[in-house]
Formats: sequence, C-alpha cells, structure tokens
Amino acid sequence: DQQVKQNSPSLSVQEGRISILNCDYTNSMFDYFLWYKKYPAEGPTFLISISSIKDKNEDGRFTVFLNKSAKHLSLHIVPSQPGDSAVYFCAASFSYGGATNKLIFGTGTLLAVQP
Amino acid sequence: KAGVTQTPRYLIKTRGQQVTLSCSPISGHRSVSWYQQTPGQGLQFLFEYFSETQRNKGNFPGRFSGRQFSNSRSEMNVSTLELGDSALYLCASSLTSDRQNYGYTFGSGTRLTVV
Repeated sequence: DQQVKQNSPSLSVQEGRISILNCDYTNSMFDYFLWYKKYPAEGPTFLISISSIKDKNEDGRFTVFLNKSAKHLSLHIVPSQPGDSAVYFCAASFSYGGATNKLIFGTGTLLAVQP
Repeated sequence: KAGVTQTPRYLIKTRGQQVTLSCSPISGHRSVSWYQQTPGQGLQFLFEYFSETQRNKGNFPGRFSGRQFSNSRSEMNVSTLELGDSALYLCASSLTSDRQNYGYTFGSGTRLTVV
C-alpha cells in the first residue's frame, strides 16, 4: 500500500520555466511533509518542508503547496536551472506515541531541465 | 564537518549469505535511520535507532536487523540474502529523534547486489 504517491515518473522542463512536481498521499494522519532531491550516487538532500498547519512554504526558488482536503502537495521551482536536474522525492511523517524520524517516501520524479 | 559515512560503498554477495553494513553519523548526531531504495519502490523505512535503542521499525522481515553503538555508529545486518535484497541502503542521521528534519542528513549509501 503506497501511502505517498508520485504519479509522474519523469518531467522535462525548459531552463527558466517553472517546474511543478506533484505528490499525493492517502493517510490523513500525516502532519509533516518534505521534499528531497537526489543525484545519482549520492544520498537524498533535504530541500524544503511544510507542516500541515500551513498551506504554503517558500525558500528561494522553491515553494511547496499543501492542499489537505485533496491530500495533495506540490513543489514549484522557479526559475528552473539545469543544475536542478535530479530525482525529487516527497516524503511524509506523523507523530504517534511521540516524535519520530520515520519518513514515508514516494517513488520519485526524475526532473530534467533542458538548457 | 564530516557528513554521514556509509561503508562499504559497493558490495556483491551470494544468495544465502549474510551482510553487515555500517553507518557513521555526523558527530553529535544521536539518531540513525536506515532506508532501502529499490527501483519503483522509492525509499522504504527499515528502522531507527536513538541512543542505542530501536525506536521504530518498518515492515521488513526479521532477516533485517540493526544495532547502534554507544558512539552512535550503527550497523544493519541482513541474513540469508535473497535476490530481492539487491538495493541501495541509505542511512540518515539527525541530532535528535524529534523530527528536526532539517538536520536529517543522508549518507551516499551502500549498493548491495545479491547474485
């Protein structure tokens, strides 16, 4: 049972344009969401996160939007740069019986930014 | 400061053998989590250790086990290897176990191939 889903395995965008990566989740108990970027042969790198009490969080070129009613979040990258080309994972977590570092990851979306 | 170090980087084992992977967290980090990454499955949580205690465990068979030492270094062991255990094994460390995810840093992983 995939609780976090990234339905687009890949996305191609022109440099300078907006990249929108989508993520859906099924578990309404999730209360914290994150995006990670992964280059080949490296571990994932944290990008941005959002708590369920917010619907938007920005950090430079990266903005994450959360729609709790639709159980959907998205990552916007504006403007996209060739160095953004990587696999992007969304992840979710929730507190049960105390704080936890357990993350539930999606399957990833490969973003290719064309020069 | 040094990042999360995983050894070895690559490993080839035969079905039925066992394997031990090592993870040295960032100095001062006390929480270590392990994930398995396979194509099409994303990253799947294996377990989390904090102060030498397992705090959380994912849905993996008992062949997968781990431990954490007093210096926070962690090892995971897989016994009776199966072909399906071939994957990238990632560990992540953080300062505490209270979901301070901006401090959740991944290592580069150990690529295990079972033949």
